[in-house]
Amino acid sequence: DQQVKQNSPSLSVQEGRISILNCDYTNSMFDYFLWYKKYPAEGPTFLISISSIKDKNEDGRFTVFLNKSAKHLSLHIVPSQPGDSAVYFCAARGSEKLVFGKGTKLTVNP
Amino acid sequence: GAVVSQHPSWVICKSGTSVKIECRSLDFQATTMFWYRQFPKQSLMLMATSNEGSKATYEQGVEKDKFLINHASLTLSTLTVTSAHPEDSSFYICSARDDGTSGLVFWSYNEQFFGPGTRLTVL
Repeated sequence: DQQVKQNSPSLSVQEGRISILNCDYTNSMFDYFLWYKKYPAEGPTFLISISSIKDKNEDGRFTVFLNKSAKHLSLHIVPSQPGDSAVYFCAARGSEKLVFGKGTKLTVNP
Repeated sequence: GAVVSQHPSWVICKSGTSVKIECRSLDFQATTMFWYRQFPKQSLMLMATSNEGSKATYEQGVEKDKFLINHASLTLSTLTVTSAHPEDSSFYICSARDDGTSGLVFWSYNEQFFGPGTRLTVL
């Protein structure tokens, strides 16, 4: 069973607009949620995280929102830039391990 | 800071041979390292947790005798794929958890630092 789900395999947005990447989870014991950016044939690069006791964390163009009651988190990128084009993985920490979603491929068109 | 390297970055081997992949934390100590495998368009799947000075903990369904893990120092973990077969072809990624020795202070907590990955192709 998939504990972390990213239901949109791909997303395409125009440069300058907002990108919203979604993630759902099933395990209420997860205590931290992280977003990673990944290019083909490279390892994931950490972007931003949020503790389960918070509902928002912001860093520059990136904001992560957590809705615990809905077991849902989202990553907002605004304004989106062509260099943001990559696969974005949502990950949740539980029992000192990370569980990853399948990723969403973001394409930002100039 | 907080850089993790992997070597080799890609390897091609014949079926039946063994391949060793190294994972190093370059500027911090990592008591715990993790090994993941990623198939095309799939998620990163945790294979095992590597603990310095003790036996690795394998995830369900991962053969410990096939994927040998050694974590002999605080900065190095190795994964050996023994008697490799074509179905072992995949992208292997390691990560390391900072023990807190790097001196870096994170406004946003990062659980693990990832290496660049190793592409294994078994012919």
